[in-house]
Amino acid sequence: DTGVSQDPRHKITKRGQNVTFRCDPISEHNRLYWYRQTLGQGPEFLTYFQNEAQLEKSRLLSDRFSAERPKGSFSTLEIQRTEQGDSAMYLCASSPPFRVGNEQFFGPGTRLTVL
Amino acid sequence: GNSVTQMEGPVTLSEEAFLTINCTYTATGYPSLFWYVQYPGEGLQLLLKATKADDKGSNKGFEATYRKETTSFHLEKGSVQVSDSAVYFCALYAGKSTFGDGTTLTVKP
Repeated sequence: DTGVSQDPRHKITKRGQNVTFRCDPISEHNRLYWYRQTLGQGPEFLTYFQNEAQLEKSRLLSDRFSAERPKGSFSTLEIQRTEQGDSAMYLCASSPPFRVGNEQFFGPGTRLTVL
Repeated sequence: GNSVTQMEGPVTLSEEAFLTINCTYTATGYPSLFWYVQYPGEGLQLLLKATKADDKGSNKGFEATYRKETTSFHLEKGSVQVSDSAVYFCALYAGKSTFGDGTTLTVKP
C-alpha cells in the first residue's frame, strides 16, 4: 500500500531561483491538493485538481506559483523567482472519488528553504 | 470565508490524564469535520472524522462529536499515553479544506 509521495523532501535554493516539486498521489485518487504550511500554522490551501483539471486556486497563490497535473496522475508545483517568504513546508494530499466527507491522505511534504 | 479556531497550546499532561482540545468553526453550509495528527517527523494523518451533525468520530481512544448548535468539534481522550505526543489539527471541508493552527500535546510519563 503506497501512500502519497513527494519529491524532493528538502530543497535549499537561493532567492530568485526557480524550484519545482513533484507529488505522486495514491493511485486511483482523482483529487489532488497542494497546501503550504509554515511553522506554528496549519496547512493553508493553495490549489486543487480533479483529474487533470485545476478547479480552484487560492487568492494567496501569486503569479509566481503554477501547478500542473497533465495526465491526472502526478502533479508538479513550480515557484518562479523564489523569495525568502516562500520558505515553508509544501504538502500534497489526495483523496478518492465518491468518498463522503473528502478524507485526504497527506504526503510527507517538501521543505523549502530560500536563502 | 471559512475558519477553524483551535485551543492554543502547548498542552502538557501526565500519562493517563484526560485530554480535551477545543475546536470551533465558522462555515457556510454543512461542512465535514476532521481531526488530523502529526507525529514528530511524520506527515499529517487522519485521526477521525464526522460528516454530519451529531455524528461522533472515534479512533485510537480519541472521540469528537459534531455539534452544529455550538459549531464545535472538540477532541477528547479519557487516558492519554506518552505515544499520543504530537500536533493535532482540527479541519473542515466545504469544497476545500480549512485547518486550524494546531495544538501541540506533550504527554509526560
